[in-house]
Amino acid sequence: DIQMTQSPSSLSASVGDRVTITCRASQDVRSDLGWYQQKPGKAPKRLIYVASRLQSGVPSRFSGSGSGTEFTLTISSLQPEDFATYYCLQANKYPFTFGGGTRVEVK
Amino acid sequence: EVQLVESGGGLVQPGGSLRLSCAASGFIVSDSWMTWVRQTPGKGLEWVANIIQDGSANYVDSVKGRFTISRDNDKNSLYLQMNSLRAEDTALYYCVRDGVWGQGTMVTVAS
Repeated sequence: DIQMTQSPSSLSASVGDRVTITCRASQDVRSDLGWYQQKPGKAPKRLIYVASRLQSGVPSRFSGSGSGTEFTLTISSLQPEDFATYYCLQANKYPFTFGGGTRVEVK
Repeated sequence: EVQLVESGGGLVQPGGSLRLSCAASGFIVSDSWMTWVRQTPGKGLEWVANIIQDGSANYVDSVKGRFTISRDNDKNSLYLQMNSLRAEDTALYYCVRDGVWGQGTMVTVAS
């Protein structure tokens, strides 16, 4: 199975900060990667698909980049509603696999 | 509007069975990739299974031979038949289509 390693596992940040989360795949997954945001008690919400395409309705402060084995989710200016846990998901090879998550907390 | 509503979760003893359902609206299930994802309480997400347009299915190794994903075109619904349940199957199970997730249904396997 492809292992997806997210870093950091948690971070503390302030409103207005630029935040970067990395996801590394144990094998080449091309651009078959999505990013998800989950708030406590809620279902995950997809932010980015095929590595860099913004899901409809998602604010433009979110962006994704990368291909192959290294991917990045960037929040250009952190907003209060962005404090949440973020996951990557590779959808290139079965079984699809999630990263372990990155919790973004208030500094 | 695309909507997914899961049901069928509950408490079951180890070795038992449950059938989860996902009622879909706003799109046609048989025209879509449909997925089940689970989340252990307080932990991360695990992709469980999917079924694609041609009806073929894929599973994570830990459920192969025990779980079966299927769909009913007339009811526009997705299912997950779970047999030989284990304590480690305890989780919140989500039905997913593209970027849309249901609210989840909780499965607890305990004696």
